[in-house]
Amino acid sequence: QVQLVQSGAEVRKPGASVKVSCKASGSSFESYAIHWVRQAPGQTFEWMGWINAGNGNTYYSRKFQGRATVTMDQAAKTVYMELGSLRSEDTAVYYCARDLFLIPRDPWGQGTLVTVSS
Amino acid sequence: EIVLTQSPGTLALSPGERATLSCWASQTVRKNSLAWYQQKPGQAPRLLIYAASTRATGIPDRFSGSGSGTDFTLTISRLQPEDFAVYYCQQYDTSPEWTFGQGTKVEVK
Repeated sequence: QVQLVQSGAEVRKPGASVKVSCKASGSSFESYAIHWVRQAPGQTFEWMGWINAGNGNTYYSRKFQGRATVTMDQAAKTVYMELGSLRSEDTAVYYCARDLFLIPRDPWGQGTLVTVSS
Repeated sequence: EIVLTQSPGTLALSPGERATLSCWASQTVRKNSLAWYQQKPGQAPRLLIYAASTRATGIPDRFSGSGSGTDFTLTISRLQPEDFAVYYCQQYDTSPEWTFGQGTKVEVK
């Protein structure tokens, strides 16, 4: 079964950037897409962006266009999400998740807590 | 953007009771592209249902999904102690962009 393992918690100051990784295990990495979703404390989920692991195409929520960048190292089966110009409202748990043929699949990554504080 | 509204916000029930959770979409969700997730504190969400009514791998049959168009329902037939959690609906009609409901908390009465 495919597993997604994310990098550890991060603390950043306002204005800085953060890069979170999501490493996939198992086969057929190129067959699916990886999404980035975040969850602020006590809130629901907010979709940020997506990368097609087969061809590297990306797509972003309008809210994060220009501030979030999703990249991948296909050989390492690892996807990265970098978020810049951080502010306190970006404090959240960031998750990677996948879909196969547009259908969401389990499991998600375990989540990465990003704390933005001066 | 498709906005999802879940009801109720909190559902207080006893183990063994039936839980009925609703999710309304602001516009038609085509091809029943709707999923349900369970989330427990400190954990990632767990996929329960996709395509409105298809159980994900390993999900017990006490969980069932129904509905189409703009109205969807998640039913837990007999609540087990491990089912008390927050439940979210998600639409993927507008893939790759996803949207989520605000969640329903199922708590012990």
